[in-house]
Amino acid sequence: KNEVEQSPQNLTAQEGEFITINCSYSVGISALHWLQQHPGGGIVSLFMLSSGKKKHGRLIATINIQEKHSSLHITASHPRDSAVYICAVGYNNNDMRFGAGTRLTVKP
Amino acid sequence: DTGVSQDPRHKITKRGQNVTFRCDPISEHNRLYWYRQTLGQGPEFLTYFQNEAQLEKSRLLSDRFSAERPKGSFSTLEIQRTEQGDSAMYLCASSFVGLEQFFGPGTRLTVL
Repeated sequence: KNEVEQSPQNLTAQEGEFITINCSYSVGISALHWLQQHPGGGIVSLFMLSSGKKKHGRLIATINIQEKHSSLHITASHPRDSAVYICAVGYNNNDMRFGAGTRLTVKP
Repeated sequence: DTGVSQDPRHKITKRGQNVTFRCDPISEHNRLYWYRQTLGQGPEFLTYFQNEAQLEKSRLLSDRFSAERPKGSFSTLEIQRTEQGDSAMYLCASSFVGLEQFFGPGTRLTVL
C-alpha cells in the first residue's frame, strides 16, 4: 500500500470549473508538497506546507495534520491547467514519498 | 537559466550497456536528490547528497547503480549492465536543507 494516496486518479473538467484533488498519507510528516508535472516530464513545485492553507493565484492548498489529509483546489480552471498533479510528503530525514498523481484534463 | 539541468534528456541503450546521467543543481543548493519515475507512477526516491556526502540510499538502488557528487556541485548517476526494467525517467532535484525541492527536466532512459 502506497504511503501516499491520491484521488481521483483521473479528472476531466470543463473550463471554468472548480477542481479539488485529494491526498491522504499514513504517518507523521514534516511537510507536504504539491507538484505539477506536464507532458515531457518537467516537475514544478506548487506548494510546500506543514499546516493551514496557502494560496497562489488560482491555486489553493490546505492541509489537516490531525486527519493526515491535504487538498489542492483550482478555481476557474483553464485548459493550460491540464497536467499531472502529484502529492508528496517529506520526512525529517528529508526523504520524500510521492503519490501516483492525478491526471487533470480541462476541456475548453 | 539558473534552474536544475540534466543531461542527456533522452538515452536509448541496449541491455547490458552502462549509462551515465548528469545533473547540475541550482548553484547555491547544498542538497541534491535523484528519483526514478516509471510510466503512470509518481517518482520514487533513489538517493540524496548533502554537499558531497551521500547521506541516504533507497533499497531501490541496487549495486548496479552508483551516484557521485564529487565536489558538492554536479552529480552523476551511473547504471551498469542495464536491464529493461531500468527504463524510466530519472529525475534530479536540488534544495537548501529543509526547503522546497526544484526539479530538473529529467532524463528518459529506454533500455532495448
